[in-house]
Amino acid sequence: AQSVTQPDIHITVSEGASLELRCNYSYGATPYLFWYVQSPGQGLQLLLKYFSGDTLVQGIKGFEAEFKRSQSSFNLRKPSVHWSDAAEYFCAVGSSGGYQKVTFGTGTKLQVIP
Amino acid sequence: DAGITQSPRHKVTETGTPVTLRCHQTENHRYMYWYRQDPGHGLRLIHYSYGVKDTDKGEVSDGYSVSRSKTEDFLLTLESATSSQTSVYFCAISERGRGRVTSTSYEQYFGPGTRLTVT
Repeated sequence: AQSVTQPDIHITVSEGASLELRCNYSYGATPYLFWYVQSPGQGLQLLLKYFSGDTLVQGIKGFEAEFKRSQSSFNLRKPSVHWSDAAEYFCAVGSSGGYQKVTFGTGTKLQVIP
Repeated sequence: DAGITQSPRHKVTETGTPVTLRCHQTENHRYMYWYRQDPGHGLRLIHYSYGVKDTDKGEVSDGYSVSRSKTEDFLLTLESATSSQTSVYFCAISERGRGRVTSTSYEQYFGPGTRLTVT
């Protein structure tokens, strides 16, 4: 069975500092990996995805993520955080099968301090 | 943004009453999903649909039923609401491409959510 672990429940960074959110997955084959962002009171928005090819993927809002098969990781990064990045971030893994099953991690809440 | 709406956006109901949540899409996507979001659990799949009148259970389907009579509407029903069903409910849609599966097949687009409180 597939699973996703986000080991950090809550992270605080200063505005302008770099950010890395961790994500580890478990899946037997090549995974499809996603990062979503959720602002308070809103639904989830897709930030970026990895399907195949280049292991460093670029997303919206200046985010990027790197797929590392040897570490079963798909960490999200941003070189300089803005106050508007404060939100909750979810990593997800998709698998083939009868339908597009996507399993979400439990989320990491990001706080940005001035 | 994908055209997905959910109604109602907020609801307070009493234990034992039936509740129906509606998800409406204007994207003509084939797949539709209902999730619940609870602190510490992320999003958990309740039910999903892969076409009109084609639905199946997710990982937390007990106490919930769904129906899809039209492509654009996916209804979630709590036959007899319980306090454990207090949660935020999200609808999502996705479209599997014709023929070969591509990354867009798995991209899910979410509605704004419905906050349900069962007292």
